[in-house]
Amino acid sequence: AQSVTQPDIHITVSEGASLELRCNYSYGATPYLFWYVQSPGQGLQLLLKYFSGDTLVQGIKGFEAEFKRSQSSFNLRKPSVHWSDAAEYFCAVAPSYSGAGSYQLTFGKGTKLSVIP
Amino acid sequence: KAGVTQTPRYLIKTRGQQVTLSCSPISGHRSVSWYQQTPGQGLQFLFEYFSETQRNKGNFPGRFSGRQFSNSRSEMNVSTLELGDSALYLCASSLGQGRDEQYFGPGTRLTVT
Repeated sequence: AQSVTQPDIHITVSEGASLELRCNYSYGATPYLFWYVQSPGQGLQLLLKYFSGDTLVQGIKGFEAEFKRSQSSFNLRKPSVHWSDAAEYFCAVAPSYSGAGSYQLTFGKGTKLSVIP
Repeated sequence: KAGVTQTPRYLIKTRGQQVTLSCSPISGHRSVSWYQQTPGQGLQFLFEYFSETQRNKGNFPGRFSGRQFSNSRSEMNVSTLELGDSALYLCASSLGQGRDEQYFGPGTRLTVT
């Protein structure tokens, strides 16, 4: 069964500092990969996704992620964090054989980001 | 374009009762997926409906069911509620054609007492 591990439950960074959130997955083949963000009381917003091709993916709000097949990782990065980035971040995977159907997401447990002004 | 809407936003029920949650997808989207979010188990896939047919199902007991209408609106029902069903229930809509983005609604917060 596929699984997603986000090793850091809670991370605190200073505003303006760089950020890297880790994500490792366990899956037989290269899955589809996603990062979502959830603000308190809100649903999930997609930051970026990887289906195939270029392993460095650009997303919204200045985020990027790099897919490393050898490490089964899909880490999220941002060069300079803003106070508004404080939220919970979820890494998710889906089977790449989804084909014509919609994919079923498997989520990590999330990393809560706090930003110090 | 209006986003995914879920009603109600908050709900309090008693153990043993049943509950129905509603999800209206983005116009033109034919796929609706449901997820349960709890502090202990995190986000878990419940099921997906496409063109009124259940296409995928997660590992939840039969007390959890759903349906989709011809206008793509979806409902999920939980019968014989248990305390452990307290959760945020999220629905997501998409075109349902493979590599398309799933758009999430704000969720329904269900509390079972």
